[in-house]
Amino acid sequence: EVQLVESGGGLVQLGGSLRLSCAASGFTFSGYWMSWVRQGPGKGLEWVANIKHDGSEKNYVDSVKGRFAVSRDNAKNSVYLQMNSLRVEDTAVYYCARGRYSSVLWGQGTLVTVSS
Amino acid sequence: QSALTQPASVSGSPGQSITISCTGTSSDVGAYNYVSWYQQHPGKAPKLIIYDVSNRPSGVSNHFSGSKSGNTASLIISGLQAEDEADYYCSSYTSSTSVIFGGGTKVTVL
Repeated sequence: EVQLVESGGGLVQLGGSLRLSCAASGFTFSGYWMSWVRQGPGKGLEWVANIKHDGSEKNYVDSVKGRFAVSRDNAKNSVYLQMNSLRVEDTAVYYCARGRYSSVLWGQGTLVTVSS
Repeated sequence: QSALTQPASVSGSPGQSITISCTGTSSDVGAYNYVSWYQQHPGKAPKLIIYDVSNRPSGVSNHFSGSKSGNTASLIISGLQAEDEADYYCSSYTSSTSVIFGGGTKVTVL
């Protein structure tokens, strides 16, 4: 089955760190850009980051530059989002999605709550 | 970078057609044909319904269509159905090699 499954979300203190994982299955993972998109409680979608097939190019929204890092392991069919210096405004459901410009395949999301 | 501009809400009766606009700038919507539209029902992940301005993924109903003129893209839902009641988001590639979303539009079927 073609799917993406996120994990690693949870409750973290202000200034803390968390690492999200996204496991892909059912397709040739190494052939696709992968993206992270988040959605704050009651808010709209916000693109966070993406990473090229081979990891050679990474892009970030300005608000997470220097704090978040996207990476991938094609041997494990997984993409990761390392989140450091977390802020209250980072509280959101984080989705991983397949693709660079648009995403037909999304995970179910993992909730990150940053507590002050 | 500010989000793309969408109307907060649009409503229509079953069978009617509605249009949702998505206004950006010459650095995003106006510059690239990488505009996408997503439908999101409460508690669910977004679903891609239009990509590259006007293309529908396999399995998406043809009562969804997309277009673009200048810095504004549009999603047209023709023959509005009860199950079309959802939030809709546009997105675009930008000149800063990132992606930007619109603020979202809540569609209500009267």
